[in-house]
Amino acid sequence: GAVVSQHPSRVICKSGTSVKIECRSLDFQATTMFWYRQFPKQSLMLMATSNEGSKATYEQGVEKDKFLINHASLTLSTLTVTSAHPEDSSFYICSASLMGPKSNYGYTFGSGTRLTVV
Amino acid sequence: AQKITQTQPGMFVQEKEAVTLDCTYDTSDQSYGLFWYKQPSSGEMIFLIYQGSYDEQNATEGRYSLNFQKARKSANLVISASQLGDSAMYFCAMREPPLSAGGTSYGKLTFGQGTILTVHP
Repeated sequence: GAVVSQHPSRVICKSGTSVKIECRSLDFQATTMFWYRQFPKQSLMLMATSNEGSKATYEQGVEKDKFLINHASLTLSTLTVTSAHPEDSSFYICSASLMGPKSNYGYTFGSGTRLTVV
Repeated sequence: AQKITQTQPGMFVQEKEAVTLDCTYDTSDQSYGLFWYKQPSSGEMIFLIYQGSYDEQNATEGRYSLNFQKARKSANLVISASQLGDSAMYFCAMREPPLSAGGTSYGKLTFGQGTILTVHP
């Protein structure tokens, strides 16, 4: 099946620094990537939708300048948390949307990144 | 707008027994898809089962079955013969229609609040 590789799996950074999270589609072209954020024991909340070669569409309430999403190629989408603060500590997970028999009815998830800002 | 509701924050089941996790949804779309995912403590999202809105039969995947009641807008997950490894958080989700006609991508998934399942030995 389709595989999305997400890195890093865990990252600890100092307050005020930036962190980049990468999601790579290994065996297919990911035209669309969804980025979610999840707090402990809570649901996945969609942050933004990125389409290759165009600007990301952010959900209401998500700061565009803080969570920079780049989808410059069909195999790589990145989320950069800029000037991170402790309240940005969370679990971030990407999901590629694709049609066809390789997908689980349309979606393949990365393994997630646990971000801790100290 | 689509809405998914899971009203059971936590469920407990004895090993080898069956358990039903509830999910109700609301949508104005005629064509939609319903999913169940398992999320263990590692955080990965594991696809369990899918039901299309036009599917007449309830979906089944091994020990998982989806009790789809379209008129009641419910899509409950039934896990038979629970195992200790089934302990995890479970999410019901709904897919929006494709982003564009003839496109290569589906719309976003909207998730329910989740249910934490604990299987006791």
